[in-house]
Parts: sequence; structure tokens; C-alpha cells
Amino acid sequence: ILNVEQSPQSLHVQEGDSTNFTCSFPSSNFYALHWYRWETAKSPEALFVMTLNGDEKKKGRISATLNTKEGYSYLYIKGSQPEDSATYLCALYSSASKIIFGSGTRLSIRP
Amino acid sequence: GAVVSQHPSWVICKSGTSVKIECRSLDFQATTMFWYRQFPKQSLMLMATSNEGSKATYEQGVEKDKFLINHASLTLSTLTVTSAHPEDSSFYICSARDRIAGGLSSFFGPGTRLTVL
Repeated sequence: ILNVEQSPQSLHVQEGDSTNFTCSFPSSNFYALHWYRWETAKSPEALFVMTLNGDEKKKGRISATLNTKEGYSYLYIKGSQPEDSATYLCALYSSASKIIFGSGTRLSIRP
Repeated sequence: GAVVSQHPSWVICKSGTSVKIECRSLDFQATTMFWYRQFPKQSLMLMATSNEGSKATYEQGVEKDKFLINHASLTLSTLTVTSAHPEDSSFYICSARDRIAGGLSSFFGPGTRLTVL
């Protein structure tokens, strides 16, 4: 059974601080990796699609890196703002239609 | 941007009844839609992949006669929970893949909270 793990489960960060969290997956089953941001009462929003080892993607203050050989991806948020408070999900694609989600990292930003 | 709606957003039903949940892509065509279930404090679990005009592909352990999926058009997929029981109470969420844009990216609906009494 494939397992995608995210750590930490929850994180409290002071506004203005930078933070990062991890998504770990079995490297032998990698096809692609997605990061999503899921705010309460809203739809999950796609952040990044990552497919190549060494990929680095950036969107504003948020960036992500990918290491498929060792089976992990990091998500970084620089200068956290209250609007960054959300659950961040990663999803491993082992094929175009086989998707396994991690349980998410719940991020809270303290003003 | 691409919008996916789900209806209803929440539903409470009696044990033994059937509940239909709709997933619509509002401004794009979706040949593929995915249905997920999330139990409290757990990950989103893929239940089935729905392709327009063909039978859905169910994940291992998901009963196809229990969770009926119909993807009759390029903008609508429905999930019917038949003879619902309290253990079916969960959060059900769909996502849709844009036919034109292609790739792996899909857009999520806001989800449906099902409570079976």
C-alpha cells in the first residue's frame, strides 16, 4: 500500500516568519506530485504540479522543491501572512489516474 | 478560473435512503472527474475515476453497487450513495480535469458533507 506522509500535522507560525513543511512518498512509485492549499469552507486550490527530479516551482511567496530519488518534496512560505492559514495537501500520482493524498499540514498564522 | 460546483453542500438522511451528489464543471469540459471521500482527521481517499460516456473505475475496496457513479455529460458527474448507512457518513468531494487544458491538473468542488442518521 502506497503511503504519502506529511509533516508536521499542524504548525503555528508568527506573521512575518518563514516556514516549510514536508511531503514524503515512495520514490519507486513516482509519476507526479501536486501541492494544494485548502482553506476552510472552500475548494482545494492547486499550487504546483511537479514532475521532474530537482524541480523548483515558485508562486509569489510560496515555493516548492522536489527530490524524486529520495522521495520528498518541501513547501516553503516566505514571510507568512494571515491569508496563508490553510491546510496544505500533497498528492502523489503513481500514474495519470492513481492519486494518493497526504493527510495535510494545517498551518495557522498568528498576527 | 475553472470552477467546479457540488450540490448539495450538505445533506442529512435516514438510514436506508439513497443520496445523489452532483459535481459540475461550470466553465470547462471535463472528460475525467474524480470522486474522493474523507473521514475525520484522515486523508482524501480516491474512490473512483469517472470518464464521460464510460463506466467508472473504482478503487480497491470501494463497492461499485453501493456508490453509483454516472458521468453522462462533459460537465456533470453524479455520485449516488445507495441504501446509505451511518458508516457512509463522510465528506465527499469531486475534482474535474479540463479536457482542453489537459495535463494532470484538476479542479476541486467544495465538497458535500453527508450525515446518515
